[in-house]
Amino acid sequence: AQKITQTQPGMFVQEKEAVTLDCTYDTSDPSYGLFWYKQPSSGEMIFLIYQGSYDQQNATEGRYSLNFQKARKSANLVISASQLGDSAMYFCAMREGLGSNYQLIWGAGTKLIIKP
Amino acid sequence: EPEVTQTPSHQVTQMGQEVILRCVPISNHLYFYWYRQILGQKVEFLVSFYNNEISEKSEIFDDQFSVERPDGSNFTLKIRSTKLEDSAMYFCASSPRATTRDTQYFGPGTRLTVL
Repeated sequence: AQKITQTQPGMFVQEKEAVTLDCTYDTSDPSYGLFWYKQPSSGEMIFLIYQGSYDQQNATEGRYSLNFQKARKSANLVISASQLGDSAMYFCAMREGLGSNYQLIWGAGTKLIIKP
Repeated sequence: EPEVTQTPSHQVTQMGQEVILRCVPISNHLYFYWYRQILGQKVEFLVSFYNNEISEKSEIFDDQFSVERPDGSNFTLKIRSTKLEDSAMYFCASSPRATTRDTQYFGPGTRLTVL
């Protein structure tokens, strides 16, 4: 079974609109962290935002916020007031806390294109 | 702001040749990682490294792969005999610790092309 599911392979959004990128996860570990990364066409992997499983509030970082619904096991990324520079691949990833797990488990990504 | 660096940015090699990909993690980080991303596919974990030892490795990380921290700053991934299917973007990452809260910061990647 997929541990991280991103159901939107691609999205087109008008500049200045808000956009929500979906991410659902599957884990039985009570302690985990969820991360969002941005990968522009140049290829680098840029960390955007983090949400911990025990965090009471949704994470925010500038124009990025995370809509964390623990019971539904979803951690959707919300980008407010989208800009042309937001066009990129976006990956959701999870780090589980049990045992000697060090790796990030990745979703397939969503390709976001911002239209002028 | 400190960042992870990787060299080279692009490496082209012949099948069967050995390649070494180099990384300089963020200086006060203790945990180091290699991931790869085959074009158009998911990012895949290869290995994590702490205190001069492999702490976790995936099934992909077979005997053809090895990692080393030859000095206080560099972290290398060696592929002994490259195959066509090793063509991918290879990312190095580092984190200060290894809890679920610790962000892994990625380098810009090395694009490996095996001909």
